[in-house]
Amino acid sequence: SQTIHQWPATLVQPVGSPLSLECTVEGTSNPNLYWYRQAAGRGLQLLFYSVGIGQISSEVPQNLSASRPQDRQFILSSKKLLLSDSGFYLCAWRRDRPYEQYFGPGTRLTVT
Amino acid sequence: GNSVTQMEGPVTLSEEAFLTINCTYTATGYPSLFWYVQYPGEGLQLLLKATKADDKGSNKGFEATYRKETTSFHLEKGSVQVSDSAVYFCALSGGSGYSTLTFGKGTMLLVSP
Repeated sequence: SQTIHQWPATLVQPVGSPLSLECTVEGTSNPNLYWYRQAAGRGLQLLFYSVGIGQISSEVPQNLSASRPQDRQFILSSKKLLLSDSGFYLCAWRRDRPYEQYFGPGTRLTVT
Repeated sequence: GNSVTQMEGPVTLSEEAFLTINCTYTATGYPSLFWYVQYPGEGLQLLLKATKADDKGSNKGFEATYRKETTSFHLEKGSVQVSDSAVYFCALSGGSGYSTLTFGKGTMLLVSP
């Protein structure tokens, strides 16, 4: 069966510091991978998705970036965090038809 | 493009009450439809799905029927429990975009004993 991991689970970072969040998937190969952000009390915002190694699509221009160095690894980064980057970050992978996505446990990021 | 509209919450019910959360969608082609549930502090879990018109998805006492004529996928449960308190998201894939899911804004359900 497939499993998706995210770490860290929680993170408190000062404004201007760098960020690296990691997501890995087990039990499947060449998955589509996704990063979402959920601000407090808000819905889901798709940030990036990847259909393969080195292939990244950005949905929202901002100071975040994503990379996919390995088939089942997806990394979300920032060089300098802003207060507005606080939120709950979710990684997901997609199954082929009917294309449902499965989510990781999330990372709670607080920028102070 | 694709869009999903959900009823705004919170929906507040007493235990054993009947639940309906409305969801309507706009999409070209033939999308698949999903309901996800998010418990506090956790990621989203796929609750149920339907892939074609008139399909009924069901899981854990929840049901939703894919109604193409009304472009709806309303979530129902006959008797809610306190443990059902969560945020529920309606979503679709396919139609004009297969790589991503289109989500509604979520509906919070609060069930009191």
